[in-house]
Amino acid sequence: DAGVTQSPTHLIKTRGQQVTLRCSPKSGHDTVSWYQQALGQGPQFIFQYYEEEERQRGNFPDRFSGHQFPNYSSELNVNALLLGDSALYLCASSLMGSENNQPQHFGDGTRLSIL
Amino acid sequence: AQSVTQLDSQVPVFEEAPVELRCNYSSSVSVYLFWYVQYPNQGLQLLLKYLSGSTLVKGINGFEAEFNKSQTSFHLRKPSVHISDTAEYFCAVSAMNSGYSTLTFGKGTMLLVSP
Repeated sequence: DAGVTQSPTHLIKTRGQQVTLRCSPKSGHDTVSWYQQALGQGPQFIFQYYEEEERQRGNFPDRFSGHQFPNYSSELNVNALLLGDSALYLCASSLMGSENNQPQHFGDGTRLSIL
Repeated sequence: AQSVTQLDSQVPVFEEAPVELRCNYSSSVSVYLFWYVQYPNQGLQLLLKYLSGSTLVKGINGFEAEFNKSQTSFHLRKPSVHISDTAEYFCAVSAMNSGYSTLTFGKGTMLLVSP
């Protein structure tokens, strides 16, 4: 039973560039959430996708956007990268309709470094 | 909105000693509670969760936690730690009865187990 998989594992970009991160949810899950974890901090919620629509959004600028595909996989896009975007980006999946849509299962993340 | 406070950023302990990692939360609505563990260069793994029922919940790897509604706390305990328990531990909450609920995390507690 495959868990949540994310790609790539590491990525280095420069300021002003754009990046796309990818996530495949755990088998049987239909909801994908994205979190940003800065160094030494807890994860912060970016947004959540269900039925190919953004359902909830955290306090992140419009430079952060996403997409969910019919097979439930998801992408996170960040435009005009800033040094402060350097972080571990975590994808979590869950099943809508389960008790409060919990628990969420996490992937190992993509480490994004901005130079 | 919810917030989570983990009172200790770092907890050093000797192997086979007991440990308690503290977590307090604030919320205007009822919440579900979670503890996650993060090993170096990995994503988050669910240790245990409180959704309803008994306030004492048991998780994986010998951990347990007790939900105290009056004190808005959800402290994590283990009677005897191992070197392999060295990791970052995150407490998280999710608003109850919210179909698209998300997780709000604390800043984490680093558990350092030495021989």
